[in-house]
Amino acid sequence: QQPVQSPQAVILREGEDAVINCSSSKALYSVHWYRQKHGEAPVFLMILLKGGEQKGHEKISASFNEKKQQSSLYLTASQLSYSGTYFCGTSPGAGSYQLTFGKGTKLSVIP
Amino acid sequence: NAGVMQNPRHLVRRRGQEARLRCSPMKGHSHVYWYRQLPEEGLKFMVYLQKENIIDESGMPKERFSAEFPKEGPSILRIQQVVRGDSAAYFCASSPGQQQETQYFGPGTRLLVL
Repeated sequence: QQPVQSPQAVILREGEDAVINCSSSKALYSVHWYRQKHGEAPVFLMILLKGGEQKGHEKISASFNEKKQQSSLYLTASQLSYSGTYFCGTSPGAGSYQLTFGKGTKLSVIP
Repeated sequence: NAGVMQNPRHLVRRRGQEARLRCSPMKGHSHVYWYRQLPEEGLKFMVYLQKENIIDESGMPKERFSAEFPKEGPSILRIQQVVRGDSAAYFCASSPGQQQETQYFGPGTRLLVL
């Protein structure tokens, strides 16, 4: 089952914060976050594993709530370069390699 | 260190023709994954290969589509007798191993079927 991402789209002014959610109806083992700019390859941001800690990367961090089968991506003090579509990819088990992606959240950061 | 390479970046085919998409994984990576992306949609898994082996092709249509990853050379996704519904962006990703390792994506091949 495809994870559900929310919101579908969001517009921010530079410096504002945003939260993107990824929810699954199935138990999750890992969540992978990517950002894709129009016409380009998805770029890996971070991976969260069941039982692991919250991850951080510059001003972008993420959490993984195993009980709720949900992950959230936090973008703080957004920059113009953060614009793009954010995808979460999920896998159900430790031996699983196949990622199931959500439909994406389109983030636009304006001056 | 070169990333995942795909070619061609754009491919136009007429209905009934064949499309061949190539993917060279990152150096040191022996696992390749193919995904398809329709406009405004997420990536959908198609097939997972290791050198000379198809590990999982559960996401690939049973007819007209095939994939290979030979001992030498790039991985190839082949679509025979293309139809308009095959128009999409096809992405290849690679990883050094499996089981939760990060998958690194190439720039994709955008296939347009006329």
